[in-house]
Amino acid sequence: QKEVEQDPGPLSVPEGAIVSLNCTYSNSAFQYFMWYRQYSRKGPELLMYTYSSGNKEDGRFTAQVDKSSKYISLFIRDSQPSDSATYLCAMTARGTGRRALTFGSGTRLQVQP
Amino acid sequence: DSGVTQTPKHLITATGQRVTLRCSPRSGDLSVYWYQQSLDQGLQFLIQYYNGEERAKGNILERFSAQQFPDLHSELNLSSLELGDSALYFCASSVGTDGHEAFFGQGTRLTVV
Repeated sequence: QKEVEQDPGPLSVPEGAIVSLNCTYSNSAFQYFMWYRQYSRKGPELLMYTYSSGNKEDGRFTAQVDKSSKYISLFIRDSQPSDSATYLCAMTARGTGRRALTFGSGTRLQVQP
Repeated sequence: DSGVTQTPKHLITATGQRVTLRCSPRSGDLSVYWYQQSLDQGLQFLIQYYNGEERAKGNILERFSAQQFPDLHSELNLSSLELGDSALYFCASSVGTDGHEAFFGQGTRLTVV
């Protein structure tokens, strides 16, 4: 079983829809949770990060972390065709032994105009 | 533009050869991470350096090695190349060692023929 599970999609939505992207994880030591957007095999672009549980909002994007369920989400409001990309969740733990991001496999999102 | 610079963008080489990939981190970032992204494996962590010292190792093959120089740029050396080494190689950098808020370069696309 992978440490981070993410539905690969593709997820196809009409323009203006609310998109929900999710990841589950098994390592309870993870404390930082990130969302990256990757266009056509370009470099992943950091969208947001959250420390521990809770919500964080940035424009049309909202990240949620539920550590009790080991479940994180990214919501995109008023989705645009330019949001079409692969979305990767990533997480890391503080302290010794774990200093690199563990990524989900990515969800491919298509926003239809 | 993330501020992380990777060269070259593309590399085509033959099996058995050796190549060097270069990464310049964002100004002020002390950590450099190397990741490999292939179609069937997603983003795999290879190795991390912090201020010139190796801090974490992931799934890096013995044929691969890396180093971080005093000016903080890093090089990833891949030797005895095999067809299966064809992939995108990304470098990321961050200020600290926890790996959160890591910014990625645009990658080097390696093709081994």
